[in-house]
Amino acid sequence: KAGVTQTPRYLIKTRGQQVTLSCSPISGHRSVSWYQQTPGQGLQFLFEYFSETQRNKGNFPGRFSGRQFSNSRSEMNVSTLELGDSALYLCASSLRGWNTEAFFGQGTRLTVV
Amino acid sequence: AQTVTQSQPEMSVQEAETVTLSCTYDTSESDYYLFWYKQPPSRQMILVIRQEAYKQQNATENRFSVNFQKAAKSFSLKISDSQLGDAAMYFCAYRSASSSNTGKLIFGQGTTLQVKP
Repeated sequence: KAGVTQTPRYLIKTRGQQVTLSCSPISGHRSVSWYQQTPGQGLQFLFEYFSETQRNKGNFPGRFSGRQFSNSRSEMNVSTLELGDSALYLCASSLRGWNTEAFFGQGTRLTVV
Repeated sequence: AQTVTQSQPEMSVQEAETVTLSCTYDTSESDYYLFWYKQPPSRQMILVIRQEAYKQQNATENRFSVNFQKAAKSFSLKISDSQLGDAAMYFCAYRSASSSNTGKLIFGQGTTLQVKP
């Protein structure tokens, strides 16, 4: 069974640009969560999607958005990139979110220059 | 709001020895889950062990075991017979059992474990 796949693995963007990251969950999993990992702030929850609906959202500005498609694949978008958005973005999938295990992808390393 | 604290930024252990990583958390909820995740240099988070708050028995997975003290809000990870492959950053994480909080994980700051040959 394939694991959680995140693409691309590495990305370099310029300040002010926007970026889209993709996450393909484990087959059958309907919940996808996104986390931002930085040396200073650690791992922070961005948002969670379940059956194409955002179920929960962390404390991030509106520049961070996401969506989930009918096949459970999810994308997150960051508009008007800032230097502080440089981070490892991790995606986790689970069968239904609460009460089930979360499996993580290898992450997308975003560098904003 | 729930918080998770890992007070040991770095730990080291000799191969084959035992090491304990500490974690404390704060919550007003009575039902929740606690996890230890391992993040090796590859950056992929791997679930090491999970504990349900309503279970008094401490979880065990092979060489990994936890000491769950609900009243003290403490959740430490013991690694026995440490191996070189155990070297990684370890994160303690909390998840509410309330369906309204869904799958959101709250992480501690992490502990980097070095294993010396």
